[in-house]
Amino acid sequence: GAGVSQSPSNKVTEKGKDVELRCDPISGHTALYWYRQSLGQGLEFLIYFQGNSAPDKSGLPSDRFSAERTGGSVSTLTIQRTQQEDSAVYLCASSIPGTSGGSSSYNEQFFGPGTRLTVL
Amino acid sequence: RKEVEQDPGPFNVPEGATVAFNCTYSNSASQSFFWYRQDCRKEPKLLMSVYSSGNEDGRFTAQLNRASQYISLLIRDSKLSDSATYLCVVTPGSARQLTFGSGTQLTVLP
Repeated sequence: GAGVSQSPSNKVTEKGKDVELRCDPISGHTALYWYRQSLGQGLEFLIYFQGNSAPDKSGLPSDRFSAERTGGSVSTLTIQRTQQEDSAVYLCASSIPGTSGGSSSYNEQFFGPGTRLTVL
Repeated sequence: RKEVEQDPGPFNVPEGATVAFNCTYSNSASQSFFWYRQDCRKEPKLLMSVYSSGNEDGRFTAQLNRASQYISLLIRDSKLSDSATYLCVVTPGSARQLTFGSGTQLTVLP
């Protein structure tokens, strides 16, 4: 079946502009995550949505970053007043959530191809 | 100190070699452990989960030592197609999000 899709695949913007990145999770996956990967760095967690629960925003680096998930499916990550340090690959992942925090209940996160953001 | 630390490499090994990657994590409450693989300019994909009892999947063996907060991945009989970046990943406590190491780059040479 279809995997996680993200758009656009590449985005070049000027410093100070706002950008919106979109993620379509795998159908039926109620958990959705945003991560970013800067050059030469590991992935950094940004935000997590699970069903209708309040999102876990603990990874958002500043109040310029926000995300929403409409209808429990598609998610949009918005970066306002972009800065050069925002340049990175933004990755979305989705999963069927486990029933507890134990490893036996973990469900694999499937990643989309990412959006490569370049802020000039 | 990073939550998950890995040797960045690069590791350049000949085909057929055995190579081992190590990883340490700082959060003793971490509950789930994984190795992900990321090919150049591609998204990460789950390679295998890691259990305290150790687990093996073909040429790949993963080990977890909770007391030392240490995770390892062993690749036997390396193939050219194993060339990738290997990411050590943990889930801290009851959180769902993944915490990634910065990855270890492997190149298998003909």
